Formats: sequence, C-alpha cells, structure tokens
Amino acid sequence: DIQMTQSPSSLSASVGDTVTLTCRASQGISTFLNWYQQKPGKAPNLLIYAASTLPSGVPSRFSGSGSGTDFTLTISSLQPEDFATYYCQQSYDTPPYTFGQGTKLEIK
Amino acid sequence: QLQESGPGLVKPSETLSLTCNVSGASISSSIYYWGWIRQPPGKGLEWIGSLYHNGYAYYNPSLQSRVAISLDPSKNQFSLTLTSVTAADTALYYCVREDRRGAAGRKKWVWFDPWGQGSLVTVSS
Repeated sequence: DIQMTQSPSSLSASVGDTVTLTCRASQGISTFLNWYQQKPGKAPNLLIYAASTLPSGVPSRFSGSGSGTDFTLTISSLQPEDFATYYCQQSYDTPPYTFGQGTKLEIK
Repeated sequence: QLQESGPGLVKPSETLSLTCNVSGASISSSIYYWGWIRQPPGKGLEWIGSLYHNGYAYYNPSLQSRVAISLDPSKNQFSLTLTSVTAADTALYYCVREDRRGAAGRKKWVWFDPWGQGSLVTVSS
C-alpha cells in the first residue's frame, strides 16, 4: 500500500495568515492526490482533486500543488471557517485508496 | 445527497449492515461508483470498498474477507455488510459517491464527493 504522511500533525495560525500543509507519498503518485476538509462533527468535504483542481464552490484562497511524492495545500488569508482537519488521499495505486493521518489547523 | 442508516450497536462476532439512500442521482448511472469509508473515533479515514452499477466491486485488502457492498437499484440504495466484527470495527461509517475522470484506457483520477453525514456503529456486547 502507498503510505501518505502529512505534516505537521497540527498547526496553530491566526485569521488572515497564510499556511501551507504538506503531504508526502511513499512512492510517486503523479498528480493522483486529493485534499479534504473535515470540520468537527461533520463529514469530510472535497477541497481539491487531481492535486491542484478546485471543485465548484471552493474558495480561491485554497490552492494545491505538487507531483510525484510531495504535495502542498496552501490556504491564503485564513478565515474563521477554515479551522478544521485536512486530509490528503491518493488514488494512484489501488486498491486500497489511502489517506494521510490528517493535519489539524487550530486558531492561535 | 447520501444518507446512511442502520443499527448503531452491533455485538462482537456478529454482522454489521448499513444502507445508504441516494437522492439526486441514480446509482444505475454509468458515471459513478458508490462506496464506503470509515473513521474510528478520533482517528483517520479508511477506505472500505467501492461498487459499480454493473456489480463490479473492489475492496480494501485488509477487509476483503469480511466485507461486501451491494446495490438495490429499485430503491436507489446501496449497502455495506461487514461480518465477524470486533471492537476495532467501531467507527463512523460514511457512504460516498466515487467520481472518476480520465481518458479511456488510462489511469483515472478518483475522488469522493459527496459524503453522507456518517453513521456511528459501536461494536460492544
């Protein structure tokens, strides 16, 4: 199985900050990488697919980049509703699809 | 929209069964797969398996011997069955729509959207 490792595990930031979350795959996965946002008590929501594509309705302050083994999710000008847990997920080598362990973004 | 339903408590060694009701899309569509993902309390996400409208299913190898996903097109629902459960199967179970994009004959980009609200299943005697 491809292992997905996210860093940091948790991050404190303030409203208005720009933050970068990282996801690393145990082997090259091209751009077969998605990001999800999960708020407490809610189901995850798709944030970015194919490494850098935003679904309709996702604010443009979210951006994704990367290819191969290293990927980043950048959130510019953090808003209060952005404080959540973020997961990456690979779909290159399946089954199984695998997720990272998550990065919890907290308010400083 | 997707909505899970089923028992919230299952005894060890018994069978977990959940149903996902789909609205706004037909599970008989050739566009999508339909699947299940689970999340133990306070932990990360684990893909369980996915099913296509023609009955083709594929599962997480770690669960393959105990899991089955099936469709009921007449009710626009799909179901999860997990046998011989233990406390390790206690989790929030989400049903999801699996979207795939890419050229024919090439590897597909696959993502999960939307998700149901989740159904908490506790395995305990």
